Amino acid sequence: QVQLVESGGGLVKPGGSLRLSCAASGFTFSDFYMSWIRQAPGKGLEWVSYISSSGSTIYYADSVKGRFTISRDNAKNSLYLQMNSLRAEDTAMYYCARGYKFAYIWGQGTLVTVSS
Amino acid sequence: QSVLTQPPSVSGAPGQRVTISCTGSSSNIGAGYDVHWYQQVPGTAPKLVLHGNSNRPSGVPDRFSGSKSGTSAFLAISGLQADDEADYYCQSYDMRLSGAVFGGGTKLTVL
Repeated sequence: QVQLVESGGGLVKPGGSLRLSCAASGFTFSDFYMSWIRQAPGKGLEWVSYISSSGSTIYYADSVKGRFTISRDNAKNSLYLQMNSLRAEDTAMYYCARGYKFAYIWGQGTLVTVSS
Repeated sequence: QSVLTQPPSVSGAPGQRVTISCTGSSSNIGAGYDVHWYQQVPGTAPKLVLHGNSNRPSGVPDRFSGSKSGTSAFLAISGLQADDEADYYCQSYDMRLSGAVFGGGTKLTVL
């Protein structure tokens, strides 16, 4: 069945880096735009970034522009989010999702905590 | 503050019908961009329940329906059931921000 599984979250100090991964299965990964969406504890949803099927089109929210980099490896059916210069306000559950106009399928999320 | 405004909470008894509103502006819903709705049971990932204003993904019961008018969109849930209790989020595109935007979420309580 269609599945997205995130990994790579954890506790990191302010200013640190973390790389999130998302493994896709059950569909032709290379056909679809993919996104990262986050949710701070007890808060609402924020669309962080998306990447086109070929990787040629990329979007970042202003809140992460210049610090986060989205990428994908279609041969490995995988999506990535490299997060640098992390701040306390980046603390959130990070979800991988299929789509960019709306999120059709969601992963279970991986928790990123930025704290000293 | 969220770009799209939702009521913080709504409630209804089993079997009743509830409606959740999502109010935007001329740069998002009012500009003609589609509205999508997600259901999130606490502790789990969101799930798409409506896309393109009123289209239900496979597996979503027809008790869920949507509409749009002017700068607002609406999610209606009829025949309320206990497992409908969740947070509901609307989402659209904002041309001024050049990106997707969410509402702040509405907590649905089934009495």
